[in-house]
Amino acid sequence: EAGVAQSPRYKIIEKRQSVAFWCNPISGHATLYWYQQILGQGPKLLIQFQNNGVVDDSQLPKDRFSAERLKGVDSTLKIQPAKLEDSAVYLCASSEGTGGAYEQYFGPGTRLTVT
Amino acid sequence: RKEVEQDPGPFNVPEGATVAFNCTYSNSASQSFFWYRQDCRKEPKLLMSVYSSGNEDGRFTAQLNRASQYISLLIRDSKLSDSATYLCVVTNTGTASKLTFGTGTRLQVTL
Repeated sequence: EAGVAQSPRYKIIEKRQSVAFWCNPISGHATLYWYQQILGQGPKLLIQFQNNGVVDDSQLPKDRFSAERLKGVDSTLKIQPAKLEDSAVYLCASSEGTGGAYEQYFGPGTRLTVT
Repeated sequence: RKEVEQDPGPFNVPEGATVAFNCTYSNSASQSFFWYRQDCRKEPKLLMSVYSSGNEDGRFTAQLNRASQYISLLIRDSKLSDSATYLCVVTNTGTASKLTFGTGTRLQVTL
């Protein structure tokens, strides 16, 4: 079974530029998550989708970050404009449903460096 | 106070040693508990769920103490391949399956 796919794997941009990340979840998984993992910290949830609806975006910095999951499958996360503190690994995860009973499967992540 | 707190380590242990990691959480209403493993520059992967009765999977034993809001992971007979960061994770009520991660404890097993 194919896992969660993410692209690009690495991205280097200058501050104030824009960047977009793409995620393709495991087939059939209704729930999709975006996490931000800063070096030395655990992943922090940015946004959670159930199909194409947002379940939780309370920790998404909405002045610069946006995410969408059109058609309830693939998702994109955008940062505009980027700041130095956005340097992190952006992890996408998916699960069959919501609730602690459903294991979340993570993709390999996109490593963003903002200079 | 952080929602989930862990000793960041690193824990350096020789092969064959027994090592224990601890984790505390602040929300008494937390529902589900997990240990994830994250290898260097890789994504986190579920190691095991943690149940109130305690659970064991081979060399790994996880325990939960709800009264003290404390979770532990015990690794017996450590292998070189156990070297990784171990993330303590909780889910809280009212937020579906939102996982809240600790900062992780780094383990280095040496010869």
